[in-house]
Amino acid sequence: DTEVTQTPKHLVMGMTNKKSLKCEQHMGHRAMYWYKQKAKKPPELMFVYSYEKLSINESVPSRFSPECPNSSLLNLHLHALQPEDSALYLCASSPSGASNTEAFFGQGTRLTVV
Amino acid sequence: QQQVKQSPQSLIVQKGGIPIINCAYENTAFDYFPWYQQFPGKGPALLIAIRPDVSEKKEGRFTISFNKSAKQFSLHIMDSQPGDSATYFCAASMSSGTYKYIFGTGTRLKVLA
Repeated sequence: DTEVTQTPKHLVMGMTNKKSLKCEQHMGHRAMYWYKQKAKKPPELMFVYSYEKLSINESVPSRFSPECPNSSLLNLHLHALQPEDSALYLCASSPSGASNTEAFFGQGTRLTVV
Repeated sequence: QQQVKQSPQSLIVQKGGIPIINCAYENTAFDYFPWYQQFPGKGPALLIAIRPDVSEKKEGRFTISFNKSAKQFSLHIMDSQPGDSATYFCAASMSSGTYKYIFGTGTRLKVLA
């Protein structure tokens, strides 16, 4: 099973709302990632968790707050977003802390900020 | 030095043709090169990947050719089908790196029936 499950699939939120994106994998992977993807662009790395600790924050605005409750779950808490934050948010996982291994992506959450 | 340059930006082939997508990198520390396929509204799916110790890898109709001296690698899709119409991303990462996959800019492939 190489599945990374993301919920919800679609989300519309106002600029004053607080919402959360969820990601789950049961492959025993110890690295989990959040990416943001705009239309016709490659995924852009936001955060990396390795062994449940935040190891990379790509200078992401504080209105995005990641959380890794355990080795299978990854959340992205959203607060006071801007319309330009509308994008496809992708979660990914990989087996270990080494970046030269396969990364598997979820189907994404299509976020629209109104 | 961290860039991966991908070409062409878009590609149209007839069914049964062999589209070829090329990527080039500068950083010789890269040692893992995956290709991802992405359909509209979906997440990228890992297609095939190669490491620098081999020059070619085949999985089904997909083949990666790797030229270490030229720092280039390419994806060939044999007997392409309309269902292969998607965006393809190459990527690179390094074992001594920081969990980063450096993605190419993507190639939009359309296979005509």
